[in-house]
Amino acid sequence: GAGVSQSPRYKVAKRGQDVALRCDPISGHVSLFWYQQALGQGPEFLTYFQNEAQLDKSGLPSDRFFAERPEGSVSTLKIQRTQQEDSAVYLCASSSPYDRYNEQFFGPGTRLTVL
Amino acid sequence: KQEVTQIPAALSVPEGENLVLNCSFTDSAIYNLQWFRQDPGKGLTSLLLIQSSQREQTSGRLNASLDKSSGRSTLYIAASQPGDSATYLCAAPSNSNSGYALNFGKGTSLLVTP
Repeated sequence: GAGVSQSPRYKVAKRGQDVALRCDPISGHVSLFWYQQALGQGPEFLTYFQNEAQLDKSGLPSDRFFAERPEGSVSTLKIQRTQQEDSAVYLCASSSPYDRYNEQFFGPGTRLTVL
Repeated sequence: KQEVTQIPAALSVPEGENLVLNCSFTDSAIYNLQWFRQDPGKGLTSLLLIQSSQREQTSGRLNASLDKSSGRSTLYIAASQPGDSATYLCAAPSNSNSGYALNFGKGTSLLVTP
């Protein structure tokens, strides 16, 4: 079956531009997570959705970052007025409510480069 | 918050060697622990998930152990192959308020030479 997909796979933005990153979770997965992975580092948690509700956004680094999941499936991570320090790989993961171990499945990521 | 540390940061071994990657965590009230593989420019592939009630999990040449009391997990790779070259990440979840969002170590970059 289809896994988690993300688009675009690569994005180059000029400093100050707005970007939108998309995540399509595995069908039926209630939980959706966004992570940011800087070069040479492990992923860092950004935000968590359960269906359409954003239950935790404590990892978002600034108010320039905004995430939504209006219909409880596809999610979009938006970054406004991008800065060079936003350059990273943005990973999306989803998990099933029927998986009692809450195993997360990851997409391929979007590599964002801000010039 | 659960803090996760991995050592070594990098490892190079000749093909055929058995090797051990180490992961430590600060909160022994761990829900589960996952080991992932990440190839350059790729996403994360889940290798093994160990539940808090388990001591180890095996998949093919991989064996992961969990010792909650000491705050440690190890990933054992038997008879390493060049195709095993990748970055290996371990991760443990935070509390349920964040949906068990994962806390990752920085990873161990493994190179298996022919």
